[in-house]
Amino acid sequence: NAGVMQNPRHLVRRRGQEARLRCSPMKGHSHVYWYRQLPEEGLKFMVYLQKENIIDESGMPKERFSAEFPKEGPSILRIQQVVRGDSAAYFCASSPKGGGALDEQFFGPGTRLTVL
Amino acid sequence: RKEVEQDPGPFNVPEGATVAFNCTYSNSASQSFFWYRQDCRKEPKLLMSVYSSGNEDGRFTAQLNRASQYISLLIRDSKLSDSATYLCVVPNGGSQGNLIFGKGTKLSVKP
Repeated sequence: NAGVMQNPRHLVRRRGQEARLRCSPMKGHSHVYWYRQLPEEGLKFMVYLQKENIIDESGMPKERFSAEFPKEGPSILRIQQVVRGDSAAYFCASSPKGGGALDEQFFGPGTRLTVL
Repeated sequence: RKEVEQDPGPFNVPEGATVAFNCTYSNSASQSFFWYRQDCRKEPKLLMSVYSSGNEDGRFTAQLNRASQYISLLIRDSKLSDSATYLCVVPNGGSQGNLIFGKGTKLSVKP
């Protein structure tokens, strides 16, 4: 059973370009979470999705950031017009059931975004 | 009080030492807690879950004090491979299940 998969592992973009990060949850998991970790900081929640639904996006910046989890395919975190402050590690996690504090979230290896 | 606050570290200890990390949380309604381990430039991995007063797994013991809103992690007989950053994690008090992470405490075990 493959773990959570994220790609690309490293992404370099110039200011103003778009960054697209992908996450495939563990088999059987239908709940996906995205977190961002700035250098020397803790992980910060961004968004929680189920298939075709955004459940909680309270941690998402109001502009330039969007997320989706279509019926088929991976979850996508999209950052438009990237700025240097977007440089961070973006981790995706999945769980078999959502909304439950008792469910372990399994993390993917992360995508390290560098904005030049 | 910050949502989740940890000892700043770093902790530099010799092999075989016992080391303890502390964590305080602000949401008194939290029912469960986690310690994750994160190696340099890697993803967090669950180390222990704490649902009642505490939990023990081999050399690792987690304790919870709800009255003081305080969680601790004790590592006995530390190994070189224990070197990592230890993250105190508390589920969001709402119903959505997202996690609130502390900044982490860095542990370095020396030979």
